[in-house]
Amino acid sequence: DIQMTQSPPTLSASVGDRVTITCRASQSISSLLAWYQQKPGRAPKLLIYKASSLESGVPSRFSGSGSGTEFTLTISSLQPDDFATYYCQQYNTYSWTFGQGTKVEIK
Amino acid sequence: QVQLQESGPGLVKPSETLSLTCAVSGYSISSGYFWGWIRQSPGKGLEWIANIYHSGRTHYNPSLKSRVTISVDTSKNQFSLKLSSVTAADTAVYYCARVSDTSGYYSHFDNWGQGTLVTVSS
Repeated sequence: DIQMTQSPPTLSASVGDRVTITCRASQSISSLLAWYQQKPGRAPKLLIYKASSLESGVPSRFSGSGSGTEFTLTISSLQPDDFATYYCQQYNTYSWTFGQGTKVEIK
Repeated sequence: QVQLQESGPGLVKPSETLSLTCAVSGYSISSGYFWGWIRQSPGKGLEWIANIYHSGRTHYNPSLKSRVTISVDTSKNQFSLKLSSVTAADTAVYYCARVSDTSGYYSHFDNWGQGTLVTVSS
């Protein structure tokens, strides 16, 4: 099974900060990686798919990059609505696996 | 707009079978896509459980495969999950979701239900 490791587990930041979250796969997954945002009591929301494609309706301050085993989610200027937990998720050979999450907190 | 809604008992006794249904509106399951179940234990991360295509083709998480059955009813535009021999470790919020494709691979979950909490307790 492919394992996904996110870092950091928790991130403290201020409004306006540039924020970067990293996700590493235990083996190459090409570009089949997605990013989700989850707020307490809510379902996850798709932000990015295929490593760098922005889901329709998602603000352009969110961007994704990477391929193979290392991926990043960047928020260019953190907004109050962005304080949440972010998950990466990979697909490989009929198996879908999530990272353990990164909680973005107010500094 | 696609909408998904989970339904089922919120309390299941240990050793019994958990049964949930996901009703889909705004899109016909028969038109395509895989449809899946994901769960989230209290305070924990997300775990994929299983996916199904309208034709009945299925994929299961190997760690749960022996206890899980996913099925689809295209006439009712819904799909279902059964998890047998449950324990307290199966207590979680269960989400249903649509599995979307990119570059020919059904790789990510683009529409989610609101989730339903299932507690396993006697």
